[in-house]
Amino acid sequence: AQSVAQPEDQVNVAEGNPLTVKCTYSVSGNPYLFWYVQYPNRGLQFLLKYITGDNLVKGSYGFEAEFNKSQTSFHLKKPSALVSDSALYFCAVKAGNRLAFGKGNQVVVIP
Amino acid sequence: GAGVSQSPSNKVTEKGKDVELRCDPISGHTALYWYRQRLGQGLEFLIYFQGNSAPDKSGLPSDRFSAERTGESVSTLTIQRTQQEDSAVYLCASSFDRDRAYEQYFGPGTRLTVT
Repeated sequence: AQSVAQPEDQVNVAEGNPLTVKCTYSVSGNPYLFWYVQYPNRGLQFLLKYITGDNLVKGSYGFEAEFNKSQTSFHLKKPSALVSDSALYFCAVKAGNRLAFGKGNQVVVIP
Repeated sequence: GAGVSQSPSNKVTEKGKDVELRCDPISGHTALYWYRQRLGQGLEFLIYFQGNSAPDKSGLPSDRFSAERTGESVSTLTIQRTQQEDSAVYLCASSFDRDRAYEQYFGPGTRLTVT
């Protein structure tokens, strides 16, 4: 079955430092991979996706993610974190008609 | 038009009561999804509607859960005889069509608390 794993529960980073949120995947065939962000008391917002093409995908709010087939990873990155980036981040993979989500990572950006 | 909307935003109910949650998808979106998000956990797929096709109900956790959708419009998720373990945020999402099912747009959710 298609699945993703987010190995960390919480990521703490100082404002201005690089931010990385990890995701690994397990799929049969070519993966369709996504990142979503959830701000407090709000629904999920789409950040970016990888379907095919360049391994480095750029998305909203300055985020990017790198698809690495050999490591079966799709880590989310931002060069310089903002306090406003503090939120819950979900990695997901297309699994048939639905998305299969990871458990989420809480990101805390410290001023 | 506007994004996905859900109502109510919060619902507190007593154990054993029935509840009905509503989702208004983005106009023109043919696919609609319901997910459940328990505290500290990821999203759990519940049910998927695509146009007039038979819904994919494979994620519904028990026969107390049911959902309906008329055409490509509003959907309601009904939970009968609620239990405390049903307490969660219920999220609805919609997407344009089957081939773009991965671009899902989410509503703000309904927070259900069963006391």
